[in-house]
Amino acid sequence: DAGVTQSPTHLIKTRGQQVTLRCSPKSGHDTVSWYQQALGQGPQFIFQYYEEEERQRGNFPDRFSGHQFPNYSSELNVNALLLGDSALYLCASRRGFGAGELFFGEGSRLTVL
Amino acid sequence: AQSVTQPDIHITVSEGASLELRCNYSYGATPYLFWYVQSPGQGLQLLLKYFSGDTLVQGIKGFEAEFKRSQSSFNLRKPSVHWSDAAEYFCAVVPGDSSYKLIFGSGTRLLVRP
Repeated sequence: DAGVTQSPTHLIKTRGQQVTLRCSPKSGHDTVSWYQQALGQGPQFIFQYYEEEERQRGNFPDRFSGHQFPNYSSELNVNALLLGDSALYLCASRRGFGAGELFFGEGSRLTVL
Repeated sequence: AQSVTQPDIHITVSEGASLELRCNYSYGATPYLFWYVQSPGQGLQLLLKYFSGDTLVQGIKGFEAEFKRSQSSFNLRKPSVHWSDAAEYFCAVVPGDSSYKLIFGSGTRLLVRP
């Protein structure tokens, strides 16, 4: 049973570019959340998708957007990249929309130069 | 302001010694409480969680945590640390206000002396 898988694992972009990160949830899970973890910090909630809709959003600008597909996989898009967007982006999934256990992927490490 | 505080940035213990990692939260209602562990190159793994009921919670890898409402704390403990426990530990809460996002503390890095 595959867990949460994310791609790519590492990538380097320059300021102003756009990036798309991908996530496949754990089998049987239908809710996907995204978190940003800056170096030396705890993860911060970006947004959560359920039934292909953004259900909750953290304190992130509109440059951060996402999508959930019918197979429950998800994408995180970041436009007009800033140096401060350099971070580990974590995807997490759970079964149902609630406070159940979140399973995390290993993350996508984004470096913005 | 609502927050999760882990006051210790680094903790170093000797292998076989006991461990306690501190976590305090500031939310009006009793939140759902979690401890996660993150090893280098790996994602976050859930150690244990508290939703309600018995305030002493048992988790994986021999960890336990105690919820103390009067102190707004949820400290993580282990009676005997193994070298493989060296990692970053995060306390997290779901505020319990119908928001299901996890709010994380800034983490405590555990170093284990041989």
